[in-house]
Amino acid sequence: DAGVIQSPRHEVTEMGQEVTLRCKLISGHNSLFWYRQTMMRGLELLIYFNNNVPIDDSGMPEDRFSAKMPNASFSTLKIQPSEPRDSAVYFCARGRGLHTQYFGPGTRLTVL
Amino acid sequence: ELKVEQNPLFLSMQEGKNYTIYCNYSTTSDRLYWYRQDPGKSLESLFVLLSNGAVKQEGRLMASLDTKARLSTLHITAAVHDLSATYFCAVDPQSTNFGNEKLTFGTGTRLTIIP
Repeated sequence: DAGVIQSPRHEVTEMGQEVTLRCKLISGHNSLFWYRQTMMRGLELLIYFNNNVPIDDSGMPEDRFSAKMPNASFSTLKIQPSEPRDSAVYFCARGRGLHTQYFGPGTRLTVL
Repeated sequence: ELKVEQNPLFLSMQEGKNYTIYCNYSTTSDRLYWYRQDPGKSLESLFVLLSNGAVKQEGRLMASLDTKARLSTLHITAAVHDLSATYFCAVDPQSTNFGNEKLTFGTGTRLTIIP
């Protein structure tokens, strides 16, 4: 168990709709990461937080994407408005120092 | 820009055989991670390599790191069907003091073990 809960597990929406992905951390951590995985681009880091503060958001594709971490155990990734090219699996992961990152089960997003 | 390349991208091998997956990266780093992903599943951590010459083994898998050559290998011994999965390496370029903050993942190697 990676100690990471993501919801929803599957999301199907129509182009132009707002999508919010959620990540909850069960155990203590230092950092939280959002990744996107597609066949074409592989696994990409979108943004990461350390002690609830966004450290690097250079991977966020464009202004339609935003992420927040209001407390030490919860984060959201929002896409507004969504587009078909946003279809992917979105993973949340937690990390601590030099140890490995632990990935959640992912949210499979389909934008029609 | 850090580049992480794996080869081969696809590997089909018979049970009982040995093989090696290679991970090359383009910048100085002594932190490298290996992950496994089953189809439709999340990523599972396999190995953490934190220094030049580091070697880790778990069952039929062994990972090593040569920071001077910027190369890590994942060696599979006497493959069994359960090892069929996609394997990723990931590099931490040590851009921060925190460590493990901005991993760049390789393209993945899809391994299929044939009975």
